[in-house]
Amino acid sequence: DTGVSQDPRHKITKRGQNVTFRCDPISEHNRLYWYRQTLGQGPEFLTYFQNEAQLEKSRLLSDRFSAERPKGSFSTLEIQRTEQGDSAMYLCASTTMGTLIPTFGSGTRLTVV
Amino acid sequence: KQEVTQIPAALSVPEGENLVLNCSFTDSAIYNLQWFRQDPGKGLTSLLLIQSSQREQTSGRLNASLDKSSGRSTLYIAASQPGDSATYLCAVVEDFQKLVFGTGTRLLVSP
Repeated sequence: DTGVSQDPRHKITKRGQNVTFRCDPISEHNRLYWYRQTLGQGPEFLTYFQNEAQLEKSRLLSDRFSAERPKGSFSTLEIQRTEQGDSAMYLCASTTMGTLIPTFGSGTRLTVV
Repeated sequence: KQEVTQIPAALSVPEGENLVLNCSFTDSAIYNLQWFRQDPGKGLTSLLLIQSSQREQTSGRLNASLDKSSGRSTLYIAASQPGDSATYLCAVVEDFQKLVFGTGTRLLVSP
């Protein structure tokens, strides 16, 4: 197992375009989390899944954001009509009930120009 | 709503110094507290996890303490090295292993 994988590593997009990121968690982990980190700040929780069910969404997750985990394995995070304020590092983490420490991916850095 | 604060925001020290990073949180009803390291443009590397029933954890030159009643944790780094230069983040672990992070301390260790 190679850990949590995120794709792409970097994404530059024009304002108003839609983008989609992918996260592949550790295979036996049933919990998956998305966080957003802006420059100079700590990561902020966006949403989390247990298996395929999305159990919690932060107020930060506006209606332009949608996350899915269709088969309880990989997850996608889509941002529609991107704005410059969406520029950030998007981090994915996974864990399971018996695991105390979540494993983070390397993140997807989004730049909206 | 849990709020996590880290002081100082930035720290610059010469190699070999011992240093302390501080983390405070407003709600003591936490499950665990975790310290991470983040190199520029990279993801998070877990350093130490302190469970709510524990007072401290040690790993090599790192020692983390937790005082739930006062809402504080410290990360002590002994004999700092240039390779320790990074941002250090603390995070409290809430329900469902959700993390609430502080804003981090940027550490620069000069040779």
